[in-house]
Amino acid sequence: GAGVSQTPSNKVTEKGKYVELRCDPISGHTALYWYRQSLGQGPEFLIYFQGTGAADDSGLPNDRFFAVRPEGSVSTLKIQRTERGDSAVYLCASSLGRGGDTQYFGPGTRLTVL
Amino acid sequence: AQSVSQHNHHVILSEAASLELGCNYSYGGTVNLFWYVQYPGQHLQLLLKYFSGDPLVKGIKGFEAEFIKSKFSFNLRKPSVQWSDTAEYFCAVRGHAGKSTFGDGTTLTVKP
Repeated sequence: GAGVSQTPSNKVTEKGKYVELRCDPISGHTALYWYRQSLGQGPEFLIYFQGTGAADDSGLPNDRFFAVRPEGSVSTLKIQRTERGDSAVYLCASSLGRGGDTQYFGPGTRLTVL
Repeated sequence: AQSVSQHNHHVILSEAASLELGCNYSYGGTVNLFWYVQYPGQHLQLLLKYFSGDPLVKGIKGFEAEFIKSKFSFNLRKPSVQWSDTAEYFCAVRGHAGKSTFGDGTTLTVKP
């Protein structure tokens, strides 16, 4: 079916505001990943879900960042009290399972914090 | 901790030239290695991957990469580039549990 989708494609917000970024993985994929890509850099790992649980959240930069995947499908990345340094493209990827499965990336959400 | 280094930030080639993009990684265990490509205006796509076995892996669009364990390298090659290969290329390493670490990317510009 369809690939990984992310909404919105672009989000502009003001410093201090709260934002939510959504990821719809490929149907049947149990693993879901969030990455952040700043200009001129490669994607940086944030968090990895296996099913509904966060298997590895070691990449979340601080407690302003939080992600959920309550039903093991759609995931939401939540950022509180946004800062200008949070501006980046947030990428989501999904794979069939864990370990060596190929990750399929979505188009990303470009977040701009003014 | 795992890390990836891509030495070439921007490569400019003429069509039909040969390509080699360097990638070195650091990781203390068994790794899975990947090359991704991002064409202008598109999202990241997998070019090829190495998990085990033959260290020379072939991917889509005529790309190949060689895993050299002793050098911690996974260089990407293509014998003859085309204008349509203009894109950004990322090398990535993945240890256990699915977390991937990416290099900062190499922008390839192919002149027609």
